[in-house]
Amino acid sequence: DTEVTQTPKHLVMGMTNKKSLKCEQHMGHRAMYWYKQKAKKPPELMFVYSYEKLSINESVPSRFSPECPNSSLLNLHLHALQPEDSALYLCASSQGQGAYYGYTFGSGTRLTVV
Amino acid sequence: SQKIEQNSEALNIQEGKTATLTCNYTNYSPAYLQWYRQDPGRGPVFLLLIRENEKEKRKERLKVTFDTTLKQSLFHITASQPADSATYLCALGRMIYNQGGKLIFGQGTELSVKP
Repeated sequence: DTEVTQTPKHLVMGMTNKKSLKCEQHMGHRAMYWYKQKAKKPPELMFVYSYEKLSINESVPSRFSPECPNSSLLNLHLHALQPEDSALYLCASSQGQGAYYGYTFGSGTRLTVV
Repeated sequence: SQKIEQNSEALNIQEGKTATLTCNYTNYSPAYLQWYRQDPGRGPVFLLLIRENEKEKRKERLKVTFDTTLKQSLFHITASQPADSATYLCALGRMIYNQGGKLIFGQGTELSVKP
């Protein structure tokens, strides 16, 4: 299996809702990442997990809460989002943390906050 | 802070020609530089990684060069095809003390190959 699977593919949520994005990989990768991408912009790093521990938080607002239950799964819990949080949320994994390895990205979750 | 610039937002070329995309960076020199392809509404796909001590890397019709003196990487697609039309992103690794490494992306160049 050489894929990163993200669910759901699309999500519409109200500003008072609580939802979660899920990401799964079975390549044995020990680093996993959440990126946010707005239209016509590059992916922006949000969080990095290395060996199931949070190693980088790019000063992301607390309404985004990451979780890494095991080495294959990564979640992003969403609560009280704002319309400006609407974006494509991408999960990625790599053999190890950093730029020494290519990243495998999922297809993303298209999030719309209304 | 690290700044990454890709030569243009859009590049239009004729089928069969060689597409050349540029990635320039400022401040520190990364040990690794990567190139990705991204199609609309999809996640980036890893293409090539080049290390600072490598001048050139090839994979099929793709070639990447890395000039640490000029702080520049060039990405070439030879014998381009309409199917090569996509956005191409360069990405640099940055090490953060006590946190490990992270990948920072340039803004991308949208390549359009016309038949």
